[in-house]
Amino acid sequence: DIQMTQSPSSLSASVGDRVTITCRASQGISNYLAWYQQKPGKVPNLLIYGASTLQSGVPSRFSASGSGTDFTLTISSLQPEDVATYYCQKYNSAPLTFGGGTKVEIK
Amino acid sequence: QVQLVQSGAEVKKPGASVKVSCKASGYTFTSYGISWVRQAPGQGLEWMGGIIPIFGTANYAQKFQGRVTITADKSTSTAYMELSSLRSEDTAVYYCARESGFSSSSYLDYWGQGTLVTVSS
Repeated sequence: DIQMTQSPSSLSASVGDRVTITCRASQGISNYLAWYQQKPGKVPNLLIYGASTLQSGVPSRFSASGSGTDFTLTISSLQPEDVATYYCQKYNSAPLTFGGGTKVEIK
Repeated sequence: QVQLVQSGAEVKKPGASVKVSCKASGYTFTSYGISWVRQAPGQGLEWMGGIIPIFGTANYAQKFQGRVTITADKSTSTAYMELSSLRSEDTAVYYCARESGFSSSSYLDYWGQGTLVTVSS
């Protein structure tokens, strides 16, 4: 099975900072990559699909890129409401494996 | 609007089974798959398996093969996840989520509220 590795596992940044999270697949998955946001105590929420397509309603400060094995999620200007854990997930085929998550906090 | 409403919290003894339901509304149930994802306390998300209701065929993560059964009732637009031989490590919140299509290449666009399953003697 393809493994998904996220880095870093956690980060602390100031409001307004640019934040980047990376996700690496152990084999190529084309652009079958989604990103989810899970705020503390809440249900996961789809942010990005197709490696770079913003889900409807997601603020434009979120962007993502990548193809093949290397992917990034960027928050251009971190806001207090972005405190959450972010997960990547590959969906080219079953199993739909998640990355280990990146916890984002405010410094 | 799309809604996935799950059954309530469960407390089970080790060795028992649990069956969690997920009732879908606001869309055509047979046009999308349903996945099940679990999250142990303080841990990440773990995909368990999924089903395509129109075909009734399920895929399972290897870790859960033989212990999990995912089914779907088209007449009530409800999906089910049954996990057997429960152990303490199965204590987790279990989520159902709608797949974006009915192929194995689908992301998860809507999620249920989660069901806490506690396994304790």
